[in-house]
Amino acid sequence: GAGVSQTPSNKVTEKGKYVELRCDPISGHTALYWYRQSLGQGPEFLIYFQGTGAADDSGLPNDRFFAVRPEGSVSTLKIQRTERGDSAVYLCASSLVGASGGLQYFGPGTRLTVL
Amino acid sequence: ELKVEQNPLFLSMQEGKNYTIYCNYSTTSDRLYWYRQDPGKSLESLFVLLSNGAVKQEGRLMASLDTKARLSTLHITAAVHDLSATYFCAVDMTSRDDKIIFGKGTRLHILP
Repeated sequence: GAGVSQTPSNKVTEKGKYVELRCDPISGHTALYWYRQSLGQGPEFLIYFQGTGAADDSGLPNDRFFAVRPEGSVSTLKIQRTERGDSAVYLCASSLVGASGGLQYFGPGTRLTVL
Repeated sequence: ELKVEQNPLFLSMQEGKNYTIYCNYSTTSDRLYWYRQDPGKSLESLFVLLSNGAVKQEGRLMASLDTKARLSTLHITAAVHDLSATYFCAVDMTSRDDKIIFGKGTRLHILP
């Protein structure tokens, strides 16, 4: 079946612009996670959704970052007034039931470059 | 604050050899995960370990968990070139919050 998909695969933007990154989880997966991965580092937790609600957004670095999941499926990560330091690969993952753990399935990521 | 440390961070080894990657974490955890990442690719889930003494094996990879020592190991048996990748461990405490914290990864290069 279809895995986690993310669009766009690459996004180049200028400093100060607004960007939206989209994640389509595996159908039926209630838990959805966003991570950010810089070169040579492990993924850094940003936010976790259980259904439509953000169960934990403590990893969002500041108020320029916001994520939604209005219908409990697709999620959008929104970054306002982008900065060069926001450049990274943004990964989305989903799992069947977040609270009880289990394997996360990762999407291919969106490579964001802020010039 | 939960911290996850892996060692070594880089490992170059010959085909046919055995080796172990270590993952230490700083506080009590609910679950421990191992992932593989190939260059330019996303993460592939390998194992999830739920309890003390848990051992899981898939092919030449075997993962174990010692919750008392706060240590997990990923053992590679008779390495082959196809296992070259970066391996991450990750730990969560979903009974207290929903973060999953990753180690920095071990970059494994297996020489043919």
